[in-house]
Amino acid sequence: DQQVKQNSPSLSVQEGRISILNCDYTNSMFDYFLWYKKYPAEGPTFLISISSIKDKNEDGRFTVFLNKSAKHLSLHIVPSQPGDSAVYFCAAKSNYQLIWGAGTKLIIKP
Amino acid sequence: GAGVSQTPSNKVTEKGKYVELRCDPISGHTALYWYRQSLGQGPEFLIYFQGTGAADDSGLPNDRFFAVRPEGSVSTLKIQRTERGDSAVYLCASSLGDSLEQFFGPGTRLTVL
Repeated sequence: DQQVKQNSPSLSVQEGRISILNCDYTNSMFDYFLWYKKYPAEGPTFLISISSIKDKNEDGRFTVFLNKSAKHLSLHIVPSQPGDSAVYFCAAKSNYQLIWGAGTKLIIKP
Repeated sequence: GAGVSQTPSNKVTEKGKYVELRCDPISGHTALYWYRQSLGQGPEFLIYFQGTGAADDSGLPNDRFFAVRPEGSVSTLKIQRTERGDSAVYLCASSLGDSLEQFFGPGTRLTVL
């Protein structure tokens, strides 16, 4: 039973446009949500997080939105750049564990 | 070193053999985590150390898996009697105290033939 789901395996976006990556979860007890970015042959790198008591967190080109009633969060990247091409993972924090989605591969087209 | 390092980067072994995977966390990071990532999936939590002790080992799949961190720094993940289903990328991460951000190593790709 997957507690964190990323339903889009891949997403293709034109350079300069907005990329929107989505994530759904089932456990309302998660206290933090995080987004990680992963390049091939490297470990995931932290991108941005949001507390469960917030509905938005912004850091430069990256904004994460949390809709608790829908148990849904999204990552917005604007404007998208070629270096943003990577796999993006959504993760939820439960005690000391991170529960991860399966990832979405983002491809930025020139 | 600047980041988390893991050795070896690749390990190929035969079914039934014993393997050890090593993780060197960022200096000063007290928390250390092991994850396993199978193809097409996100990382799956295995075990969490705070200092030398395993604070949460609920993710270890069975008793063939064991991890140690004897001096509170380097950690070794040990897998006995390996099975083909153990093939995956094993990721290690460390963090400062109970900080939210975990820093990951590049992983060890384990292939069991």
